[in-house]
Amino acid sequence: KAGVTQTPRYLIKTRGQQVTLSCSPISGHRSVSWYQQTPGQGLQFLFEYFSETQRNKGNFPGRFSGRQFSNSRSEMNVSTLELGDSALYLCASSLGWQGSYEQYFGPGTRLTVT
Amino acid sequence: AQSVTQLGSHVSVSEGALVLLRCNYSSSVPPYLFWYVQYPNQGLQLLLKYTSAATLVKGINGFEAEFKKSETSFHLTKPSAHMSDAAEYFCAVSDRNTGTASKLTFGTGTRLQVTL
Repeated sequence: KAGVTQTPRYLIKTRGQQVTLSCSPISGHRSVSWYQQTPGQGLQFLFEYFSETQRNKGNFPGRFSGRQFSNSRSEMNVSTLELGDSALYLCASSLGWQGSYEQYFGPGTRLTVT
Repeated sequence: AQSVTQLGSHVSVSEGALVLLRCNYSSSVPPYLFWYVQYPNQGLQLLLKYTSAATLVKGINGFEAEFKKSETSFHLTKPSAHMSDAAEYFCAVSDRNTGTASKLTFGTGTRLQVTL
């Protein structure tokens, strides 16, 4: 099976712009979660989508949003970018139902905000 | 809320020596527990998981971890370190509620250095 894929791998944006990141989960996985990784804050949970519905949300401002499509692919959007949004954004997929919660991560998208 | 503590942000071992990376969780109910490894410029790779079966869990690349409820610990070990084990290791926890089990809380990570 193909693993989790994320596009693009690298992005450079300017403050105030918006950005959309894409994630394709492992075939058959219905849950997609997003995490932000920074040197200062570590790995933090952003949100999870399951069957096109947001099932869980972390403590991030409303500038961070996401969605999931019927084929389980997911996108996350960050509006009005700030310098502090520079991070590695990781997507993870799982089956998402009882007994099958282990998550498999993609390679990440490195976002740099200047 | 779930939390996890990893003792030691950096651990250095000689090649062939025992690897021990420590992880303690905070939860009144035993959670799901995971160890992940991250190599430079890559995502996270699942090493092993504890869900509720055997307390000694074997993972990939010769790693294993033991769940000890009395100590609220889930330490990661490998009998003999290899140079290729040099990476950052993360312990993660999630609760057993169906609706929130996909929300992982990570420790701060331990960077493992392997020397000749």
